Amino acid sequence: GAGVSQSPSNKVTEKGKDVELRCDPISGHTALYWYRQSLGQGLEFLIYFQGNSAPDKSGLPSDRFSAERTGGSVSTLTIQRTQQEDSAVYLCASSLDVAPLHFGNGTRLTVT
Amino acid sequence: GENVEQHPSTLSVQEGDSAVIKCTYSDSASNYFPWYKQELGKRPQLIIDIRSNVGEKKDQRIAVTLNKTAKHFSLHITETQPEDSAVYFCAASRRSGNTGKLIFGQGTTLQVKP
Repeated sequence: GAGVSQSPSNKVTEKGKDVELRCDPISGHTALYWYRQSLGQGLEFLIYFQGNSAPDKSGLPSDRFSAERTGGSVSTLTIQRTQQEDSAVYLCASSLDVAPLHFGNGTRLTVT
Repeated sequence: GENVEQHPSTLSVQEGDSAVIKCTYSDSASNYFPWYKQELGKRPQLIIDIRSNVGEKKDQRIAVTLNKTAKHFSLHITETQPEDSAVYFCAASRRSGNTGKLIFGQGTTLQVKP
């Protein structure tokens, strides 16, 4: 079936603007993750949704970042008042439990 | 909080040689340890994983070992080939109930020279 789908694939925005990144997980996957990958860096955990439980938001870097998952499926990551340091690839992943994670192709965010 | 340290950050080997990447984790409750490979410009993909009730797992040229007492685990690639060149990430997680956050190491860039 279809894999994890993320949109847009690329996003260029001006500093101070808000952006929304979308993730469509694999159908039936109960767990959904957001990670951030800066150029040449590792996978920084942002937030984790598991079923109907309260999300683990411990990785969100500031209160400008938020995420929601509607109906246990699609998730949106919102970054308010974007800063240049927010520029990175934002990766979404889903799984039936913890593993294996299936990653999307990511959204490359550039803040000018 | 949970932390995963990965070494080395870069590794260069000759084709046919072995490569070893090591990781340590801080959360003693971690019980699931996957390894992901990310080729340039592509998404990370799982290559092998191990659970805490097993000390070693092998899949063709790839093997992973786990030392729970020391809280470290390693990836071993034998008979390396140029197509093994990529960034490799280790990760650790508790795998029970609703606690499944997967924390990744910083990655190792492996270069296999032909």
